[in-house]
Amino acid sequence: QKEVEQNSGPLSVPEGAIASLNCTYSDRGSQSFFWYRQYSGKSPELIMFIYSNGDKEDGRFTAQLNKASQYVSLLIRDSQPSDSATYLCAVNPPTGKLIFGQGTTLQVKP
Amino acid sequence: DTGVSQNPRHKITKRGQNVTFRCDPISEHNRLYWYRQTLGQGPEFLTYFQNEAQLEKSRLLSDRFSAERPKGSFSTLEIQRTEQGDSAMYLCASSFESSGNTIYFGEGSWLTVV
Repeated sequence: QKEVEQNSGPLSVPEGAIASLNCTYSDRGSQSFFWYRQYSGKSPELIMFIYSNGDKEDGRFTAQLNKASQYVSLLIRDSQPSDSATYLCAVNPPTGKLIFGQGTTLQVKP
Repeated sequence: DTGVSQNPRHKITKRGQNVTFRCDPISEHNRLYWYRQTLGQGPEFLTYFQNEAQLEKSRLLSDRFSAERPKGSFSTLEIQRTEQGDSAMYLCASSFESSGNTIYFGEGSWLTVV
């Protein structure tokens, strides 16, 4: 079992729709959870982090965490073509490093 | 604050040669990480430092790879006797220990081994 799992996609949504990206993790001791966006040929950039169960909103982005189910998700409202990228879920287990999933490719079609 | 800086940005080398990458973290950050990323995969952890101490090194990392952070500031990642399988983007990131491990990446160094 991989430590952090994401569906590689591609996930295709029309412009203006809600994109829902999902991630599961294996280490129940994980404390913090991150979403990064990566454009083709570029390095990852931090979008959001979440530490507590529930929802955290930042503009068009909402991160959701359910530690009991070991599940993290990212919702992108009013999706724009500029949101087309690979979204990486990262988890911080007690060891101190971030573990990344393989990423989900999102395509927003005009 | 100029962010995490990496150089060179691109390196093409012949198989068997040694290469070295440098990373300058965000100035107040005391943790520094190296990751490797290949096409279609997420970043793979290589090693990390807290100040000058190397706290963890991936078991996947062969002994051809070595990293240093001599004064707790910049870091170097050296790959000896490069192989074609080493072709990847090498990412450096940094964080402040008490920031919940929120890490910020540099632009990456692309390595192509021919």
